[in-house]
Amino acid sequence: NAGVMQNPRHLVRRRGQEARLRCSPMKGHSHVYWYRQLPEEGLKFMVYLQKENIIDESGMPKERFSAEFPKEGPSILRIQQVVRGDSAAYFCASSSYGQYTEAFFGQGTRLTVV
Amino acid sequence: DAKTTQPNSMESNEEEPVHLPCNHSTISGTDYIHWYRQLPSQGPEYVIHGLTSNVNNRMASLAIAEDRKSSTLILHRATLRDAAVYYCILRGRKTSYDKVIFGPGTSLSVIP
Repeated sequence: NAGVMQNPRHLVRRRGQEARLRCSPMKGHSHVYWYRQLPEEGLKFMVYLQKENIIDESGMPKERFSAEFPKEGPSILRIQQVVRGDSAAYFCASSSYGQYTEAFFGQGTRLTVV
Repeated sequence: DAKTTQPNSMESNEEEPVHLPCNHSTISGTDYIHWYRQLPSQGPEYVIHGLTSNVNNRMASLAIAEDRKSSTLILHRATLRDAAVYYCILRGRKTSYDKVIFGPGTSLSVIP
């Protein structure tokens, strides 16, 4: 059973470009979470999605950031018009239903904005 | 969200046991206690979780106080590979919408 797959592992974008980060959850998992980790800082919750639905986006910046988890295919975190402050590691996790279940994390996408 | 409190950092000697404490005095009866860890430059990984009884797995043991207001993650023999940030998290059953919220965690250093 493959784990949570994130790609790309490293992404370099110029200021003003768009960044698309992909997350394929573990097989059978319908819950996906995205986190951002700035250098030398902790993990910050961004958004929680189930298939085709955004459940909680309280951690998402109001502008330029969006997330989706379509019926088919991976979850996508999209950052438009990137700025230097977006440089961070972005982690995705997935779980099955239930608060007693564990969440499994991907290895992250390290975004560098130049 | 129910809160947890952990020491910022701890040190351990290699091959000795490590007890990582976590306080969660506002825990509700249906909250599960989860532990994750994050090794340098890697994504977080699940360690263990429990509700009321102590739990053991191949990675660690989880000791839960009788009143559930605190718990301790036990690494039986610390190795250099166990140097990581350890997060104690509560996951509730109040609603079906639940997100895993990380606090600052405990940074564990293992001394050779």
